[in-house]
Amino acid sequence: GQQVMQIPQYQHVQEGEDFTTYCNSSTTLSNIQWYKQRPGGHPVFLIQLVKSGEVKKQKRLTFQFGEAKKNSSLHITATQTTDVGTYFCAGPLSSYKLIFGSGTRLLVRP
Amino acid sequence: GAGVSQSPSNKVTEKGKDVELRCDPISGHTALYWYRQSLGQGLEFLIYFQGNSAPDKSGLPSDRFSAERTGGSVSTLTIQRTQQEDSAVYLCASSSGRAEQYFGPGTRLTVT
Repeated sequence: GQQVMQIPQYQHVQEGEDFTTYCNSSTTLSNIQWYKQRPGGHPVFLIQLVKSGEVKKQKRLTFQFGEAKKNSSLHITATQTTDVGTYFCAGPLSSYKLIFGSGTRLLVRP
Repeated sequence: GAGVSQSPSNKVTEKGKDVELRCDPISGHTALYWYRQSLGQGLEFLIYFQGNSAPDKSGLPSDRFSAERTGGSVSTLTIQRTQQEDSAVYLCASSSGRAEQYFGPGTRLTVT
């Protein structure tokens, strides 16, 4: 069946360093969504990418959708302690059902 | 406006007991989802409701799990004869269709 994989599983960085998480799907996706879950919290929607090769930025966060629409990445420039959490990508399994990646847990040393 | 709410926030129950978890979606959202998240893990899809259509129950792990959505709004997830492996955070989310999902704070279920 369709799978969405994320790497790395964990990333521990020094505050100020950059961070990237990668999302790979076994099939072509019509779109991809990214969510952030703070420790003890619930997932919060960050962004949706739809177009092949699309790049979107939110302050220090840069999201990219691959040309083949099978992979995506989230890059954080100069991490801050407020960036701590687990980042999930999610792709549509059907018109309404999302399949979530396993998540990348980001830890930031102050 | 108000977000998705869930109750209770925490539930401790003895093995073999039944539990009911409640979700109040965002007003006007036609789609409602239940997920399960075990400690440090990803999100496991359980069930989906869309308007008056038949729900997609394909993610329910066993027949001990059931859910209903009354009047297209509030939803209840019921787990009968709870087992220790049911311990997890149960998350509810709603959306206005194919758009992003808004999650509630979750119910942390502990089966002793």
